[in-house]
Amino acid sequence: ETGVTQTPRHLVMGMTNKKSLKCEQHLGHNAMYWYKQSAKKPLELMFVYNFKEQTENNSVPSRFSPECPNSSHLFLHLHTLQPEDSALYLCASSLAKSGGYNEQFFGPGTRLTVL
Amino acid sequence: AQKVTQAQTEISVVEKEDVTLDCVYETRDTTYYLFWYKQPPSGELVFLIRRNSFDEQNEISGRYSWNFQKSTSSFNFTITASQVVDSAVYFCALSNSSTGANSKLTFGKGITLSVRP
Repeated sequence: ETGVTQTPRHLVMGMTNKKSLKCEQHLGHNAMYWYKQSAKKPLELMFVYNFKEQTENNSVPSRFSPECPNSSHLFLHLHTLQPEDSALYLCASSLAKSGGYNEQFFGPGTRLTVL
Repeated sequence: AQKVTQAQTEISVVEKEDVTLDCVYETRDTTYYLFWYKQPPSGELVFLIRRNSFDEQNEISGRYSWNFQKSTSSFNFTITASQVVDSAVYFCALSNSSTGANSKLTFGKGITLSVRP
């Protein structure tokens, strides 16, 4: 596999369920991101991990719990979600290094529906 | 604070027409980066272009061209001779000059482009 992959691509869950989203990058990058894309809204940055350390938590509710066991994998653990959490969740990665800017490469996203 | 405004929400054109997608940004940084991404129905954001604030040269890549005007804080994207495969949501984004993972992207709301045969 190449690029950034995300599983599952679609997920339907009830408000009492616990589920996890998975992201994997095969680009040798060391920074990973979670974004939320809701209908008619700009993409919202949720979390940033740099070398497995969380460097950004954009005031995300605690029902979203990220995990980054290594530079290639990123998880988003979900529990007791609300219907308004239904959205497309996008993972991205980049190569964090000094000097210049490094593009973020995105995965295809997980379409989450909370019933 | 950074802000990206894409005033157009939906555009519909007939194949072979030219179309321009507008992007206006706000930032207090003197060094910053501007981007365009394409999101086809499959969902994945595809990187199209990056431009830094010191490079105001316009760029052309095939049927795509970008017009960066610092004086009006705009970074517009033109598709020449549009094709059905250009149908997608297009996002303009802005980032500050920090490197690596601290470079946060601020996205506009996106423009849905529909190209009809």
